[in-house]
Amino acid sequence: EAGVAQSPRYKIIEKRQSVAFWCNPISGHATLYWYQQILGQGPKLLIQFQNNGVVDDSQLPKDRFSAERLKGVDSTLKIQPAKLEDSAVYLCASTPGGRPVTLHFGNGTRLTVT
Amino acid sequence: RKEVEQDPGPFNVPEGATVAFNCTYSNSASQSFFWYRQDCRKEPKLLMSVYSSGNEDGRFTAQLNRASQYISLLIRDSKLSDSATYLCVVNAGNEKLTFGTGTRLTIIP
Repeated sequence: EAGVAQSPRYKIIEKRQSVAFWCNPISGHATLYWYQQILGQGPKLLIQFQNNGVVDDSQLPKDRFSAERLKGVDSTLKIQPAKLEDSAVYLCASTPGGRPVTLHFGNGTRLTVT
Repeated sequence: RKEVEQDPGPFNVPEGATVAFNCTYSNSASQSFFWYRQDCRKEPKLLMSVYSSGNEDGRFTAQLNRASQYISLLIRDSKLSDSATYLCVVNAGNEKLTFGTGTRLTIIP
């Protein structure tokens, strides 16, 4: 079974620039998550999709972050414009459904904003 | 109050010792609980689920206390390979999983 795929692995941008991350979940996984993990902290949920609908985006800074999952499969997360405090690892995860809920993470995208 | 709280450590423990971590959660309606392990510069991976009756997997024991809203993880006979960050995760419902800050563990030879 192929795992969760994310790209790019690393990205360095200057503040006020835009950036986009891509995620392809495990085939058949209906639920997809984007987490932000700042160094020394636990992952923070940004947005949760069920198929192509948003379940929770209460912690997504909507003035600069956007995410979509148009066909209920892969997803993109965009930051525009980036701030220094957006430097973090952006983790995508998916779950197959059922109990218990088990997150399968991708390798993450490490973003550095200078 | 944070939804999920953990002592960030670090815990520096000699090889062979027993170590325990606690985690508290604020939402009394939370449905399920987990411990994830995260190695340096890697993604988190499920270590074990936590059941009301308590559960054991080899050297690892997890317990849940719903009345006090905390979960615990006990590692016996610790190995060098146990060095990692241990993340407490709570499912508040609707498959929304919230992570704690993580507890960093280093096993010393």
